Amino acid sequence: GAGVSQTPSNKVTEKGKYVELRCDPISGHTALYWYRQSLGQGPEFLIYFQGTGAADDSGLPNDRFFAVRPEGSVSTLKIQRTERGDSAVYLCASSLTSRTSGGPRVFFGPGTRLTVL
Amino acid sequence: GDSVTQMEGPVTLSEEAFLTINCTYTATGYPSLFWYVQYPGEGLQLLLKATKADDKGSNKGFEATYRKETTSFHLEKGSVQVSDSAVYFCALSGSNDYKLSFGAGTTVTVRA
Repeated sequence: GAGVSQTPSNKVTEKGKYVELRCDPISGHTALYWYRQSLGQGPEFLIYFQGTGAADDSGLPNDRFFAVRPEGSVSTLKIQRTERGDSAVYLCASSLTSRTSGGPRVFFGPGTRLTVL
Repeated sequence: GDSVTQMEGPVTLSEEAFLTINCTYTATGYPSLFWYVQYPGEGLQLLLKATKADDKGSNKGFEATYRKETTSFHLEKGSVQVSDSAVYFCALSGSNDYKLSFGAGTTVTVRA
């Protein structure tokens, strides 16, 4: 079956511009996560959705970052006034549920590589 | 907060060599521990996991044992293949279960 998909795979933008990154989770997965992976680092948690609501947005670095999931499926990560330090690979992941003993089985997408010039 | 420290790479090995990647963690309570792998050109995928002390996770010839006394979860494989060339990430999920904390990753290259 289809895995988690993300579009675009690459995005190049200029400092100060607005970008949107899209994530299509696995069908039926109620939990959706965004992570950011900077060069040479492991992924860092940004935000977690359970259904349509953001259950935990503690990882968003500042108020330029925002994410939505209006119908409980597709999610969009939005970054305003981009800065060079936002350059990274943005990973989306989904799981069937989030509350599973021992942690849910999480499936990651291929990521969107964002480059801010 | 929760954190993971893993051995820095890159690691270069010959085929059939023994591989160990060290991983230690800091967490409150009883985290679950994971190894994820990222093959060239592919997304992150779960390699193995262990959810409680002394559990051993295993998959594709890789093993890791959850050692609470040393707060470690070292990854091992007895005989690596060229196809094992990848970046390996140690990770944990803490008391909230859903949030993964990752190490920085270790790049492994296996030469024929």
